[in-house]
Amino acid sequence: EVQLVESGGGLVQSGGSLRLSCVASGFTFSSYWMSWVRQVPGKGLVWVSHIHNDGSRTSYADSVKGRFTISRDNAKDTLYLQMNSLRAEDTAVYFCATDLARGPQVWGQGTLVTVSS
Amino acid sequence: QSALTQPASVSGSPGQSITISCTGTSSDVGNYNYVSWYQQHPGKAPKLMIYGVSSRPSGISNRFSGSKSANTASLTISGLQAEDEADYYCTSYTSSSTWVFGGGTKLTVL
Repeated sequence: EVQLVESGGGLVQSGGSLRLSCVASGFTFSSYWMSWVRQVPGKGLVWVSHIHNDGSRTSYADSVKGRFTISRDNAKDTLYLQMNSLRAEDTAVYFCATDLARGPQVWGQGTLVTVSS
Repeated sequence: QSALTQPASVSGSPGQSITISCTGTSSDVGNYNYVSWYQQHPGKAPKLMIYGVSSRPSGISNRFSGSKSANTASLTISGLQAEDEADYYCTSYTSSSTWVFGGGTKLTVL
């Protein structure tokens, strides 16, 4: 079965850190750009970051630049998002997804990050 | 990185057609054919409906179609069905090598 499964979310205090993971199965993970997208419950989707197939290129939304780091381990079919200096406004459900430029796409079910102030 | 502009809500009766617009700039929608559309039901992950402005993934009904003119992309749903009621989002690649989403449109099937 083709799927992405996120984990690592939870409750953290403002200024703290979390690392999200996204494990891929059922497809060739190393062939795809990968993205993180977040959504405050009841609000819209917001792109966070993406990474090239081999990890050589990354980009970030201005709101997380310098605080979040995206990475991947193709040997483990796993995508990561290291989140440091967390703020209340980072509270959201975080989704991982395959290449937003093409189809078909795979999205995970999301993991909730709650930052308490 | 300003969000793309979508109407907050649209509605239509079963069998009718509706169009959702997605307005960006020459730095995103107007300059790239990397525009995708997503359907999201409450509590679910987004589902890709259109990519590359007008391509449909396998399994997506041909009632869904996409187009683009200048800085505005559009999603048209024909023959509205009750199960089409959902939130719809557009996204576009940008000249900053990032992606930007629209604010989302709530579709109500009357």
